[in-house]
Amino acid sequence: RKEVEQDPGPFNVPEGATVAFNCTYSNSASQSFFWYRQDCRKEPKLLMSVYSSGNEDGRFTAQLNRASQYISLLIRDSKLSDSATYLCVVNWDNYGQNFVFGPGTRLSVLP
Amino acid sequence: DGGITQSPKYLFRKEGQNVTLSCEQNLNHDAMYWYRQDPGQGLRLIYYSQIVNDFQKGDIAEGYSVSREKKESFPLTVTSAQKNPTAFYLCASNMDRYNSPLHFGNGTRLTVT
Repeated sequence: RKEVEQDPGPFNVPEGATVAFNCTYSNSASQSFFWYRQDCRKEPKLLMSVYSSGNEDGRFTAQLNRASQYISLLIRDSKLSDSATYLCVVNWDNYGQNFVFGPGTRLSVLP
Repeated sequence: DGGITQSPKYLFRKEGQNVTLSCEQNLNHDAMYWYRQDPGQGLRLIYYSQIVNDFQKGDIAEGYSVSREKKESFPLTVTSAQKNPTAFYLCASNMDRYNSPLHFGNGTRLTVT
């Protein structure tokens, strides 16, 4: 069974903190990697794709380590609005049936 | 604005009834998907379609059926054969190319009693 695993959480952090999420995947042939955020009782929304060289979007930085088969997401200067569940998503071979979702890690940013 | 529209947002049905969930997209995406989410679990694929008039079973297709008569539309029918239909159903779409992320509709929360 191909798996995607994430930090179990929940993470409770104060506003302004830096928080890091990790995700590991079992299939070394995986092709595409994404982070989504999901608010309570809402749909997942794409936060960022993860590229081999790593990428940054404002306060968010994503890293990919293919050798160790893990992906990370770093959030700097946490805001209250960052409170959500963060989903790691891996596509094994770029075909539709092979998107695999992690169970998610819940983040609560506290005032 | 382009997007994916699911309806209805909430749906209540009695056990033994079939129910159809609507999903329409105007993103001109080739591929469309149905996922199911249960509390504390990751999303699981029910069906997907990469082109019109063709679709494939996902991991948990039993008790569900779909059609893809138009590129924009991918309705899901939850039949009475589905043993635990109460869940949050999410429709998604993407371009049929490398590294294309999924875009989701706002979901339908189905409760069967």
